[in-house]
Amino acid sequence: SQTIHQWPATLVQPVGSPLSLECTVEGTSNPNLYWYRQAAGRGLQLLFYSVGIGQISSEVPQNLSASRPQDRQFILSSKKLLLSDSGFYLCAAGGGDWRSSYNEQFFGPGTRLTVL
Amino acid sequence: SQQGEEDPQALSIQEGENATMNCSYKTSINNLQWYRQNSGRGLVHLILIRSNEREKHSGRLRVTLDTSKKSSSLLITASRAADTASYFCATDDSNYQLIWGAGTKLIIKP
Repeated sequence: SQTIHQWPATLVQPVGSPLSLECTVEGTSNPNLYWYRQAAGRGLQLLFYSVGIGQISSEVPQNLSASRPQDRQFILSSKKLLLSDSGFYLCAAGGGDWRSSYNEQFFGPGTRLTVL
Repeated sequence: SQQGEEDPQALSIQEGENATMNCSYKTSINNLQWYRQNSGRGLVHLILIRSNEREKHSGRLRVTLDTSKKSSSLLITASRAADTASYFCATDDSNYQLIWGAGTKLIIKP
């Protein structure tokens, strides 16, 4: 079965520090991968998605970037964090071998980022 | 951009009662999905209804879809404390992205 791993679970970083959040997927090949941010009590904001290795589409201009160095690895990065980067970051996977389930998405447990 | 909009934004009911949440969307869809999110956790897929379906059941969940009104409802019957969570609807995008609503926060009081 498919499993989405995310780490760390929580992170407190000072303003101006770098960021690297990692997401890995088990149980499928060639998934579509997604990074979302969720503000407290709000819906999901799509940040990046990827349909293959090295292919990244950005939905929201910001100081974050994403990379997909391997088929089942998706990394969210920043060179210098801003206060406004605080939030709950979710990695999700869909498609790939799971395309028979239409475009249902499977989520990791999330990373709670606090920028001070 | 957000296409789905859930209402109400928050709902508080007694355990054992039924909970109904609604979702409206703006453009044509291939399918509509409902997800649940427990506090501080990732989202979990509940049910998917295709655009040519009008009603679907899964356990205590009942989903309806009215494409003429561009709306869907999620009914949870005989609610339990464990149903306390936020519920999101999502519609598909032509690029296999999902367009998410802001969610309904459901609280089940014991």
